[in-house]
Amino acid sequence: DVKVTQSSRYLVKRTGEKVFLECVQDMDHENMFWYRQDPGLGLRLIYFSYDVKMKEKGDIPEGYSVSREKKERFSLILESASTNQTSMYLCASSSPAEGRNEQFFGPGTRLTVL
Amino acid sequence: DAKTTQPPSMDCAEGRAANLPCNHSTISGNEYVYWYRQIHSQGPQYIIHGLKNNETNEMASLIITEDRKSSTLILPHATLRDTAVYYCIVKAAGNKLTFGGGTRVLVKP
Repeated sequence: DVKVTQSSRYLVKRTGEKVFLECVQDMDHENMFWYRQDPGLGLRLIYFSYDVKMKEKGDIPEGYSVSREKKERFSLILESASTNQTSMYLCASSSPAEGRNEQFFGPGTRLTVL
Repeated sequence: DAKTTQPPSMDCAEGRAANLPCNHSTISGNEYVYWYRQIHSQGPQYIIHGLKNNETNEMASLIITEDRKSSTLILPHATLRDTAVYYCIVKAAGNKLTFGGGTRVLVKP
């Protein structure tokens, strides 16, 4: 089974702190994604990556950066956390080589910024 | 990618079939219909997808109208564990997923 794991289920940080959210997948997928999910707004794509060291902005990249140094790991970075970044963060991976092109999601990290 | 319209919520009796509608009247010829669901406190889970033909797998069936302007996801025998938000997404292969509001399905005993 594909497994996408995220470093924490719950995280509490203070305004201005630098926050790292880690995501690891074990299926050798080329594509990895970071979303945030907020009530009434659905899932919104922050950043995605189609290959190692490659990154593309999604729909709401402001205030975030990402890092993909290894194929299996995709990190989301909040350089200076703000209260409006309190949200559920979801990581996903997929492979264009697999016909279904489905995305496999991790369990999510619920981040609270105080 | 084409926009989709789903009812915000629906109830279903346990053991009965759940039929979830989705309208996508502006769908293009190269766009697929995907269905995902999200159970509370979990990440979204892929269910099924299709282009033109009806599809069936171990989780559900997908019925796409001939003009492809709408589709229906069928859960043949709903269980309490099927309570979730169900998302209908239309996108071309290789494009990113865009999740809308979905349909909140409550399966009742």
